[in-house]
Amino acid sequence: DAGITQSPRYKITETGRQVTLMCHQTWSHSYMFWYRQDLGHGLRLIYYSAAADITDKGEVPDGYVVSRSKTENFPLTLESATRSQTSVYFCASRANRNTDTQYFGPGTRLTVL
Amino acid sequence: DQQVKQNSPSLSVQEGRISILNCDYTNSMFDYFLWYKKYPAEGPTFLISISSIKDKNEDGRFTVFLNKSAKHLSLHIVPSQPGDSAVYFCAARPYSGAGSYQLTFGKGTKLSVIP
Repeated sequence: DAGITQSPRYKITETGRQVTLMCHQTWSHSYMFWYRQDLGHGLRLIYYSAAADITDKGEVPDGYVVSRSKTENFPLTLESATRSQTSVYFCASRANRNTDTQYFGPGTRLTVL
Repeated sequence: DQQVKQNSPSLSVQEGRISILNCDYTNSMFDYFLWYKKYPAEGPTFLISISSIKDKNEDGRFTVFLNKSAKHLSLHIVPSQPGDSAVYFCAARPYSGAGSYQLTFGKGTKLSVIP
């Protein structure tokens, strides 16, 4: 039972580069989410998806792009990375609209130099 | 404007004693609240939740209390154990509308349980 996984776990990149963070869940959960965690801010929602091919912006979407062609995958792309996007990124999933609990992946620590 | 506030960044408690973590919210549309626990280098894990129709929910050593009039909830851990040392996040979601599947998180409180 793999649950929800993220790759890579650690990534160092340079300003201006494109970076894609991967998220995969084995539960067939309908909802998926991307958060970033920064000191002094807690967890902030970047994007979410209610189902395959349905995505929408969260609290801090600027500079990020998502897609969801398959239910189990929800990649997050930084099209042109900036230093302010240095953060820990968490992917989460939720079974359906009748549940509230979100299950989180282990996180990706991204450093933009 | 922070809608979910955890005003204590850290808390230290002796093993065996009670830990009380507090959370305040400003959005009166919130009607479901969750607590998550996070260890270093891991993702947050769900701990306990409470609906606004209740004022208390208990699960083993963990109890969450909700005071709707004060827009305040608290997590009690009794007795505290060293393995409880982690960052605890309070989260909330509104009862309806476009954002009803989104959770708003507080900044977290780091709990240290001293043996």
